[in-house]
Amino acid sequence: RKEVEQDPGPFNVPEGATVAFNCTYSNSASQSFFWYRQDCRKEPKLLMSVYSSGNEDGRFTAQLNRASQYISLLIRDSKLSDSATYLCVVNRRGGGSQGNLIFGKGTKLSVKP
Amino acid sequence: DAGVIQSPRHEVTEMGQEVTLRCKPISGHDYLFWYRQTMMRGLELLIYFNNNVPIDDSGMPEDRFSAKMPNASFSTLKIQPSEPRDSAVYFCASTWGGVGGDTQYFGPGTRLTVL
Repeated sequence: RKEVEQDPGPFNVPEGATVAFNCTYSNSASQSFFWYRQDCRKEPKLLMSVYSSGNEDGRFTAQLNRASQYISLLIRDSKLSDSATYLCVVNRRGGGSQGNLIFGKGTKLSVKP
Repeated sequence: DAGVIQSPRHEVTEMGQEVTLRCKPISGHDYLFWYRQTMMRGLELLIYFNNNVPIDDSGMPEDRFSAKMPNASFSTLKIQPSEPRDSAVYFCASTWGGVGGDTQYFGPGTRLTVL
């Protein structure tokens, strides 16, 4: 089983739609979780961290389910500019263990007019 | 403030040639990472440094790959000799130790094509 698994997509949705991505991780000792965004032919950039209680940033909501070892990202009222690949990222160890980020292969989102 | 700087942005070379990729991390960051991204394998960590010292190079694919960090503001990744299967985008990233250091800041990448 891969350490971090995501549905590669693509997810093709119309503007204004709500879309959800899931990600599963295999290491139950993982402590920190993130979503990164990568635009076509660009570098990955942090979108948001994922906290145990769930967290929201504008139209974006991230959830963590430790028991089932999955992470989700919900995008509401999607915009054309949301089109990108979303990478699920897990830190194998606790905070401060900078060398232990594992990146999923990403889920591609395409928002159409 | 400048982000992570990588050069060259694009490199096309022939099999057997030596390739050197360069990276300047964000000032003040004490961790530096080299990643490789391909469609098949996604983003893979090759090696990372802390305070200029290599900490984990278990991701380096083979002896043809080597990385150095002679000082806090410069690192190189060298492939010698290069092979077509080395074609990928190579990213450098940096961050700082301690709380919040999980966030890695990536450079724009070097797109390497080995013919």
